Amino acid sequence: EAGVAQSPRYKIIEKRQSVAFWCNPISGHATLYWYQQILGQGPKLLIQFQNNGVVDDSQLPKDRFSAERLKGVDSTLKIQPAKLEDSAVYLCASSLDLSSYGYTFGSGTRLTVV
Amino acid sequence: AQSVTQLGSHVSVSEGALVLLRCNYSSSVPPYLFWYVQYPNQGLQLLLKYTTGATLVKGINGFEAEFKKSETSFHLTKPSAHMSDAAEYFCAVSDPGNTPLVFGKGTRLSVIA
Repeated sequence: EAGVAQSPRYKIIEKRQSVAFWCNPISGHATLYWYQQILGQGPKLLIQFQNNGVVDDSQLPKDRFSAERLKGVDSTLKIQPAKLEDSAVYLCASSLDLSSYGYTFGSGTRLTVV
Repeated sequence: AQSVTQLGSHVSVSEGALVLLRCNYSSSVPPYLFWYVQYPNQGLQLLLKYTTGATLVKGINGFEAEFKKSETSFHLTKPSAHMSDAAEYFCAVSDPGNTPLVFGKGTRLSVIA
């Protein structure tokens, strides 16, 4: 089966610019997650979707970050305006059944804000 | 709320030596526990998981981990390190159900020839 697809792989922007990341989960996976991984740290959850509804966005900086999952499939994560501290790898993951399969992660988008 | 502590941000072993990466968790209920591996510029790959049943779980690439409830630990081991094992390893915990994984800060494993 195809894995979790993310694009772009790399992005460099100036601070105060906007950026968007795209994720296509594994077909049939109802749950989708966005994680932020800052260099030298473990991934931190930003938002969890179940189908096209938000389950947990308590750690999403809503003044600058937004995410949507239209039709319960693809998802986009947007940052506007970006700050230097947003430089990180943004990982998308999807899950069918946590206890049986865990998460499947995409390769991530590495964002550099200069 | 769950949390994970990985002791040692960097572990270095000789090729052929035992690999031991430590993970302790905090959870208010019996947790689900996971180990993931991350190679440079790649996403995270599941090594193994514990949900219920046998407390010693075997994963891919010869790795295994043992859930010890009394010690709140889930340490990862491999009897003989290989050069290809050099990577970043993350321990993660989740409450049963649809709660998100909470990750530790990771341990970078180096393997010396």
